[in-house]
Amino acid sequence: GQSLEQPSEVTAVEGAIVQINCTYQTSGFYGLSWYQQHDGGAPTFLSYNALDGLEETGRFSSFLSRSDSYGYLLLQELQMKDSASYFCAVKAAGNKLTFGGGTRVLVKP
Amino acid sequence: DGGITQSPKYLFRKEGQNVTLSCEQNLNHDAMYWYRQDPGQGLRLIYYSQIVNDFQKGDIAEGYSVSREKKESFPLTVTSAQKNPTAFYLCASTISRTGTASDSPLHFGNGTRLTVT
Repeated sequence: GQSLEQPSEVTAVEGAIVQINCTYQTSGFYGLSWYQQHDGGAPTFLSYNALDGLEETGRFSSFLSRSDSYGYLLLQELQMKDSASYFCAVKAAGNKLTFGGGTRVLVKP
Repeated sequence: DGGITQSPKYLFRKEGQNVTLSCEQNLNHDAMYWYRQDPGQGLRLIYYSQIVNDFQKGDIAEGYSVSREKKESFPLTVTSAQKNPTAFYLCASTISRTGTASDSPLHFGNGTRLTVT
């Protein structure tokens, strides 16, 4: 089966940088995704890493190390609207997508 | 506009009753998923389907059933055997890709909040 670990909560101020770590255990690993979910809303896709290295998309970057079964999401220049829950998700064989427990990010003024 | 529609947004049922949650997509996606989310928790996979007339159990399938008779539709039935059915249920779909270099993200519906008393 699959299991993912990420911190439950992170607090930071506007303009700061936050890194959300995700470690995973899985068989048949294809890639690691990140999703954002605001309270009461549906998750929305942020990024996907299939290969080792850093992927940058605007203020958000995602990193993957397949040998360490580890990835992280980096949120830069934090804004109040970034207050949300962030989930890492592992894609495995048969397109099975398993999510972590989520990290609640609280941005303070 | 293409998207995923889940209905209803809120659903109330008495204990012991089966209830079916609707999920329809017009994105022409092959794969569809059902997740359950409890307050402050992550998403747990109930069932998923890669093609019509085929589906697989996820991590918490007990007490649930699904069907995939049409590409556009993937209804979830919460049966009376589900011990704690009150939760937020999310349906999602994606293009089915088996390659590793790229990914097709999940598109989620707005969810159905089920309360069983």
